[in-house]
Amino acid sequence: DAGITQSPRHKVTETGTPVTLRCHQTENHRYMYWYRQDPGHGLRLIHYSYGVKDTDKGEVSDGYSVSRSKTEDFLLTLESATSSQTSVYFCAILIGPTDTQYFGPGTRLTVL
Amino acid sequence: GENVEQHPSTLSVQEGDSAVIKCTYSDSASNYFPWYKQELGKRPQLIIDIRSNVGEKKDQRIAVTLNKTAKHFSLHITETQPEDSAVYFCAASKETSYDKVIFGPGTSLSVIP
Repeated sequence: DAGITQSPRHKVTETGTPVTLRCHQTENHRYMYWYRQDPGHGLRLIHYSYGVKDTDKGEVSDGYSVSRSKTEDFLLTLESATSSQTSVYFCAILIGPTDTQYFGPGTRLTVL
Repeated sequence: GENVEQHPSTLSVQEGDSAVIKCTYSDSASNYFPWYKQELGKRPQLIIDIRSNVGEKKDQRIAVTLNKTAKHFSLHITETQPEDSAVYFCAASKETSYDKVIFGPGTSLSVIP
């Protein structure tokens, strides 16, 4: 599984509460990504990281923040969860030498 | 920015028939086009990819073709089997711009035994 895990795998929370999702990799890959997946929209990039403390926004970054203090961990935080953030969240890493993305198992988040 | 369209959104074929999924992209600078398969409840997994210096690539029963002039690329699955049933996503990016992988909305393929 390319050494990539996500936690938690499922979470139900209430509107207005903070939520943090964790992506963990064991192989020191430089690039890490957070996507959300919703029916009819495919996979949309939220934020990505190109190294420790180096992050940037994707196409749907509003309402999300990220942090990467160690190579192996990429955290996604919803500061104040809303129902529109109910989704399946996938983390991905970029694996060489072909520079292809490999996805984690996903986190299903429900915001009530 | 890049925009990727994908058709059809759903596709149903008889086992043994061929399936074709088509994608178009908008940014002529895109030069890397991966295809992902996602089975129900699982992660997307890369099944084949093509780069802009190649017009066609095959891997057993799957093939991808690329027309740079028209800015479209297609996935072809021959001799379909029930285990091919899944959602398929195309994507486009520039190889030197690792942040800009744009996915199509997906095609749900059903193979009827």
